[in-house]
Formats: sequence, C-alpha cells, structure tokens
Amino acid sequence: AQKVTQAQTEISVVEKEDVTLDCVYETRDTTYYLFWYKQPPSGELVFLIRRNSFDEQNEISGRYSWNFQKSTSSFNFTITASQVVDSAVYFCALSEGRDDKIIFGKGTRLHILP
Amino acid sequence: AAGVIQSPRHLIKEKRETATLKCYPIPRHDTVYWYQQGPGQDPQFLISFYEKMQSDKGSIPDRFSAQQFSDYHSELNMSSLELGDSALYFCASSYGTSGGQETQYFGPGTRLLVL
Repeated sequence: AQKVTQAQTEISVVEKEDVTLDCVYETRDTTYYLFWYKQPPSGELVFLIRRNSFDEQNEISGRYSWNFQKSTSSFNFTITASQVVDSAVYFCALSEGRDDKIIFGKGTRLHILP
Repeated sequence: AAGVIQSPRHLIKEKRETATLKCYPIPRHDTVYWYQQGPGQDPQFLISFYEKMQSDKGSIPDRFSAQQFSDYHSELNMSSLELGDSALYFCASSYGTSGGQETQYFGPGTRLLVL
C-alpha cells in the first residue's frame, strides 16, 4: 500500500534560517511520482515540484531545494534563508504509475517568525 | 497563465440539502480530479475523469456523483448533505491521465459549510 509520512507536524524558525521538511514514502511500485505542494493560509494548493522514481537528481529552484533518496525512501524539502511568506502548510505527496489519485501526507505547518 | 476555476468559492447549506460544485479546468486540460480536505486534514481523492469518462475512483460517498462535460468542465453533485461533508473541495486538472506523469494543478477550492 502507498503511504506518505511527514513526521514533523509543526515547525517554527526565525526568518533567514534554513529549514528542512522531511518526507518518507512507501510504495510497492517501481514507477511512481513524488510531489510537494504548498498551502498558504488563503487555502489554495500550490504545486512546487514533481519527481519521478527514475530520476534521483536533486533539484534547486531559487531558495528551494529537494533531496530525493530512493535508498531511504525519502524526498526532503529545504528552504534556504526562509522568509515570512514561506509560512504555510507543506504537503508531500505520492502517485503510483497506474493511478490518477495523489496520496498526500498529513502536512507540515511551517511558521516563519519575523 | 490561466488557472483552474472553481465555483462557488464559498457555499453554506443545511443538512439534507443538495449542492453542486463546478470546476473549469485549465484550457486544453482534459482530465479533472476532485479532492476533499476536511478541517486540519490532508486532501483525499474522490474521483477523476478523462475525456468525459470516469477514470479513477477514491473514497467518494454514494451520495456524491460527478461528471465531466463535453467542454471538459466538471460538476460534483452532493445530496443529503451531512455535517461531516463540511470541507474544502478541490478540483485539479491535467493534460492526459496515467497517474502522476502529468502534474495536477489545483483550483482555489470551494469551501462548503453544512449547518
């Protein structure tokens, strides 16, 4: 069965600090896709990144970076030099190759303190 | 860039009433997905449509039904509403189906409150 675990329920850091959000996933499929979505207080779900199971390259996009490690079934997300606008709930998610549905983790609520 | 449009954005209903939520996908997207997010919860997949046919089904109650129309917009019909149906309902769209091969882009959601 597929499952996504975000062990950190809530994190608070002071602005300009770096912060890493952990994500561990479970799947029996060899083909799967991993996602991160951001949900700010306004409620919308904002797509951040998608990785497929065959591409373990880490990715950097501005202050955001992602570390995908199949050996530990992890897909961690790091925000460098955090800003108050980064405050949101962040969801890690998984989709298996044959399914339409995305399975979300429980989310990590991130507070960036000024 | 055009995004997924959902209407209404907010809806208040009484128990046992019906509700219809509408979703207009990003232009040229042919697949729509519906998710339900309860308060403090993660989004849960309800149902999806590709080219007007149901393509996948999740934990959608029998009281709910959905369809996709020829212009690719979709409607989620909810009957005999219960207090537990109060949630944020997201529609997402993508071009093509086959799981996560195509990124699902989410709309702003419809916040349903059942009193």
